[in-house]
Amino acid sequence: EPEVTQTPSHQVTQMGQEVILRCVPISNHLYFYWYRQILGQKVEFLVSFYNNEISEKSEIFDDQFSVERPDGSNFTLKIRSTKLEDSAMYFCASSRDYDTEAFFGQGTRLTVV
Amino acid sequence: KQEVTQIPAALSVPEGENLVLNCSFTDSAIYNLQWFRQDPGKGLTSLLLIQSSQREQTSGRLNASLDKSSGRSTLYIAASQPGDSATYLCAVDRGSTLGRLYFGRGTQLTVWP
Repeated sequence: EPEVTQTPSHQVTQMGQEVILRCVPISNHLYFYWYRQILGQKVEFLVSFYNNEISEKSEIFDDQFSVERPDGSNFTLKIRSTKLEDSAMYFCASSRDYDTEAFFGQGTRLTVV
Repeated sequence: KQEVTQIPAALSVPEGENLVLNCSFTDSAIYNLQWFRQDPGKGLTSLLLIQSSQREQTSGRLNASLDKSSGRSTLYIAASQPGDSATYLCAVDRGSTLGRLYFGRGTQLTVWP
């Protein structure tokens, strides 16, 4: 069964460093998303991406964040200069269309020290 | 803005019980409502998607209902098993946003043998 895959599963980084989180969405899906979940909190939307551009972003997704689809299969989230408060589980998701079922990856646990 | 509330926050039941999890949302202009399961430290597994035109969706021992006009959904789990122990998340979109999901805090379910 097709699935969304994310790498790495866990990343530890020093404050101020850049990190890139990687995702491979399901191959025939057109909409891609990043969400995050701070420990004990709700899952929060960061950004959606369609047709090689951002279609929506939340207030969390500031200039420190960027997304890219560098080739036909990968979808990445970059955090330019990590802060302690960026520590969270980051989930990638994809859907065939904006009103169809969304499938999530297993997440990348980011720890900023 | 879309606010999603889930009640109860936690539920502990003996194996074999039928149970109901509740979800409410503030903006009824939705395309879909989706129920997810999250195991500790893991990703989100999609359980059911109900389109706004549907009132009910079933998958195995799970049955989800949707009353869009009142902003409510229930997830019914029949004959619960210890393997059902997890956090159950409700998520809705909002008609004006393309694919963005708004999540509740979840119901943490424990089924004991």
